[in-house]
Amino acid sequence: DSGVTQTPKHLITATGQRVTLRCSPRSGDLSVYWYQQSLDQGLQFLIQYYNGEERAKGNILERFSAQQFPDLHSELNLSSLELGDSALYFCASSVGTALEAFFGQGTRLTVV
Amino acid sequence: AQSVTQPDIHITVSEGASLELRCNYSYGATPYLFWYVQSPGQGLQLLLKYFSGDTLVQGIKGFEAEFKRSQSSFNLRKPSVHWSDAAEYFCAVASSNSGYALNFGKGTSLLVTP
Repeated sequence: DSGVTQTPKHLITATGQRVTLRCSPRSGDLSVYWYQQSLDQGLQFLIQYYNGEERAKGNILERFSAQQFPDLHSELNLSSLELGDSALYFCASSVGTALEAFFGQGTRLTVV
Repeated sequence: AQSVTQPDIHITVSEGASLELRCNYSYGATPYLFWYVQSPGQGLQLLLKYFSGDTLVQGIKGFEAEFKRSQSSFNLRKPSVHWSDAAEYFCAVASSNSGYALNFGKGTSLLVTP
């Protein structure tokens, strides 16, 4: 158990809908990263938050957004969902912007 | 452009045999290097990391990796593979330019035969 908790584990939704994925980082970790894993794109970095502020952005679509709350949990919001958004979404956390990130079990999103 | 290459998509090894998984990177400065393992239906677990210092690093589960600057490589090795090592292995690179976010290779799927 990495100490990073992601909910829900599985999510099935229809095209055009909006979903929210939740991540609770390890106790004491200030930095949260979101990654998307799909068969065609592999593992891709989406966005990073550090202590409530956006720190770095990767290949995140404009339809996607994230935030980190004062209690340090983070949410990834995916809207206007398309079939191609079906993927495994991982959250990872680390101490500060230190480099050793611990991953959650992921949320498997299926868009039908 | 920064990139991470894992040349082998699939590797099959007999149980008890040695293993080497290749990873090459292309980065402007010395990056921070990682190997992660993903078992089916699981998240990613860190095997080992290289930040600086000794270029041969030891990790969990008997794995080690060697950083070779001249070859821009960070290959993962294990002297004797166990059936439980069957999984997907990812090499990843991070740099301060991207807030230390991980840039992953495509992964190598390891199959262990009896």
